[in-house]
Amino acid sequence: NAGVMQNPRHLVRRRGQEARLRCSPMKGHSHVYWYRQLPEEGLKFMVYLQKENIIDESGMPKERFSAEFPKEGPSILRIQQVVRGDSAAYFCASSPLPGLANKTGELFFGEGSRLTVL
Amino acid sequence: DQQVKQNSPSLSVQEGRISILNCDYTNSMFDYFLWYKKYPAEGPTFLISISSIKDKNEDGRFTVFLNKSAKHLSLHIVPSQPGDSAVYFCAASEVDDYKLSFGAGTTVTVRA
Repeated sequence: NAGVMQNPRHLVRRRGQEARLRCSPMKGHSHVYWYRQLPEEGLKFMVYLQKENIIDESGMPKERFSAEFPKEGPSILRIQQVVRGDSAAYFCASSPLPGLANKTGELFFGEGSRLTVL
Repeated sequence: DQQVKQNSPSLSVQEGRISILNCDYTNSMFDYFLWYKKYPAEGPTFLISISSIKDKNEDGRFTVFLNKSAKHLSLHIVPSQPGDSAVYFCAASEVDDYKLSFGAGTTVTVRA
């Protein structure tokens, strides 16, 4: 059962280091979304990518954060020079069609990557 | 700016009884609403959805009600089972949009 795979599940970084989170979408899905969940809050949209293209990064902080979804390989969310406020759970989701075009709510989420910044 | 609000952070209900989870929204452009269920250390999984052209959608033990004039929706779980113990997120999207706006979640505990 090849669902959305995220790794690492847990990542600990010291302030100033870089964090790289990887996401492999479900087989056949070419649309990838990253969401962030801060403690005691709901998930917040960060970025929407298709293969080799960033479609919408309106939810990404302007600095230090970047995302890519190369032709081959997983999608990568990269956080440079991490700060304590970056500590959160980062969820990746994928879909076979753009967004909710099929209106069935079928965004498939991974189990998340929990980043802790010391 | 929290456009989707779940004002009850937790709910405890006895097995076999009804669980009612509430959700309010502020964005009048939202036209599609969803509930996701999340177990600890897992990702959210889709539970049920409703389009703004409807006021009720039912799927087994789960029913979602939408009151557009009040900008309010609710999820009813009848009867509640121990496996329903989880965090439930309300989410919404605008017409033809792909971004979901999530509430902060309600933790449901079903007591045996």
